[in-house]
Amino acid sequence: ETGVTQTPRHLVMGMTNKKSLKCEQHLGHNAMYWYKQSAKKPLELMFVYSLEERVENNSVPSRFSPECPNSSHLFLHLHTLQPEDSALYLCASSHSLAGGPLSGELFFGEGSRLTVL
Amino acid sequence: ILNVEQSPQSLHVQEGDSTNFTCSFPSSNFYALHWYRWETAKSPEALFVMTLNGDEKKKGRISATLNTKEGYSYLYIKGSQPEDSATYLCAFTNAGNNRKLIWGLGTSLAVNP
Repeated sequence: ETGVTQTPRHLVMGMTNKKSLKCEQHLGHNAMYWYKQSAKKPLELMFVYSLEERVENNSVPSRFSPECPNSSHLFLHLHTLQPEDSALYLCASSHSLAGGPLSGELFFGEGSRLTVL
Repeated sequence: ILNVEQSPQSLHVQEGDSTNFTCSFPSSNFYALHWYRWETAKSPEALFVMTLNGDEKKKGRISATLNTKEGYSYLYIKGSQPEDSATYLCAFTNAGNNRKLIWGLGTSLAVNP
């Protein structure tokens, strides 16, 4: 298996549920990212991890909690979400933070489509 | 405020047509300009990264140009094929210590057979 894999691809949850999104990359990259893509909005960066340490948190509400146990795996734990959190959540990785999105390229997963009822 | 605008928002062409679309970005404080291709139900894929004014990049039938002085980049597709149908995203990186990757909304291209 190669590339960036996200599970589940689709998730429907109630506002009181707790669920998690998983991302796995098999590219040997050191940096991983969570992005949110809402309808009619550009991609929004949520979190950045480099070598398993969180280096960026773009004012994301605490109901979203990321976890990076190793450089190959990234989770997004979801708790008491709101209907406006319904969106496509994309995971991405890059070889390094410096050589990644700013001057190089990001490798994306296919996304997890989240619907909050 | 850093803003990236793409036009048109959507485009329908016939197979074999050549087409182009535009990405506009702040002309000051430029670091890099990225193009990504995003097919429905798949993952966005990087096409080009451009850093120098006057850069031209090419990948098969797709090419891109960059004008950092006036703040725009064009993406060209020669002889469009149905498999070119996708959303084409551009993203701008500003120079300086607080670098950000700012995304446009994309141009959605549909190529009819």
